[in-house]
This record gives sequence, structure tokens and C-alpha cells, in this order.
Amino acid sequence: DGGITQSPKYLFRKEGQNVTLSCEQNLNHDAMYWYRQDPGQGLRLIYYSQIVNDFQKGDIAEGYSVSREKKESFPLTVTSAQKNPTAFYLCASGLDTQYFGPGTRLTVL
Amino acid sequence: DQQVKQNSPSLSVQEGRISILNCDYTNSMFDYFLWYKKYPAEGPTFLISISSIKDKNEDGRFTVFLNKSAKHLSLHIVPSQPGDSAVYFCAAITGGSNYKLTFGKGTLLTVNP
Repeated sequence: DGGITQSPKYLFRKEGQNVTLSCEQNLNHDAMYWYRQDPGQGLRLIYYSQIVNDFQKGDIAEGYSVSREKKESFPLTVTSAQKNPTAFYLCASGLDTQYFGPGTRLTVL
Repeated sequence: DQQVKQNSPSLSVQEGRISILNCDYTNSMFDYFLWYKKYPAEGPTFLISISSIKDKNEDGRFTVFLNKSAKHLSLHIVPSQPGDSAVYFCAAITGGSNYKLTFGKGTLLTVNP
């Protein structure tokens, strides 16, 4: 059945290490997005991609990188340059209506 | 500058009664609005949306009202059920080719049995 998958559900990393979060969708959507949620905050856009091999920075792209080599996949790398990486990361796909994956909780120790 | 505002961090309602969640926006270029429901440690689930050319959209127990002149929208849930207890996010999209969603900070709805 169609949907968006993110793995793993929980991820722990040591400070200074890069980490890549996966996002896969089989909804045949061209557009994909990465958001971050912090306690008491709404979702903030990190990066988005409207088509394969193209992506744009969102509102809080510093310290993150992405790639979009395949329509189904939009991995997000949280680099050591991201000052506050501990957060709940959400991937979405779709255009006017975006559908979200289950999220990955990243904790940097 | 927060373009989508949900001024009530929380709302408590009795089961069977109406829940009204409010959202205000400042960007007049927003032309499509959505409501999402979110449980802790899960991704948001799309509930209902409305285009700026309409003032009301209904789907079962959920109705969204849009007042463009006031830059205000609201989500009505009737009747409220305990399973509706979650955080509700209002989101908006600017017209054109850019499909970026701008989210409010959410309202925690608690429906008491």
C-alpha cells in the first residue's frame, strides 16, 4: 500500500558526527519535503524538492544537506555544522496537500 | 515574523460538544489552507483543506470555515470524541508554483469523556 516511510524511528548520534535520515515514498509524488519539529513549535521547512535532481533551501537549511537522485527517495543529512540537531524530523510528499511520514526522532549526545 | 498564528496553545472540550480551533494569518498571498492532526511522536495526518475561493468545506464531523477579509479560519469538530485528542496544526500555502507549507504552532485539543 502507498505511503511514506522514514527510518529509523529513533536515532542517536554523538556530537560532531554527520547522520543521514532516510525518506522513501511510493505515492508517485514529484515534490518532497523535510521539516523539523521542536517542542511547542510548529513544523519548520528545512529543504524541499519539486523534481528529481533539483532541490531548494527552506527556512532553516543551515547545517543540513539533501539529495534527490530518485523520485522515490529524499535523504536528509544532518551535518556537524547544525548547532541544535536534536529534534523530530518529518518527511512529506505531495503538492497542495502534503502527506507525512511517521518521523524520526534524532538525539545527539 | 509568524505568518500563521494559532493563539490558543490548548483547548479542553467535553465529549459530544463542539470543538472550535482557530487560526489567523497575515500573508494575503496564502490561497490554500489545511488542517493536520498530530499525535506525539507521529507524523501529522491531513484532515481537511479549503481553497481561498470557498468559505466553507465539510467532511463528516469536520468543517473548516474561511473568512478572507479577517484572515481567519477555524476548524469545527462536531461531535467531539475522546479520540480527537491531539495537536491540531493549521497550515497555509502561497499561490503559484511554490508549494511550501507555513505552519502554525499548533493547538492541543483534549476531549474529556
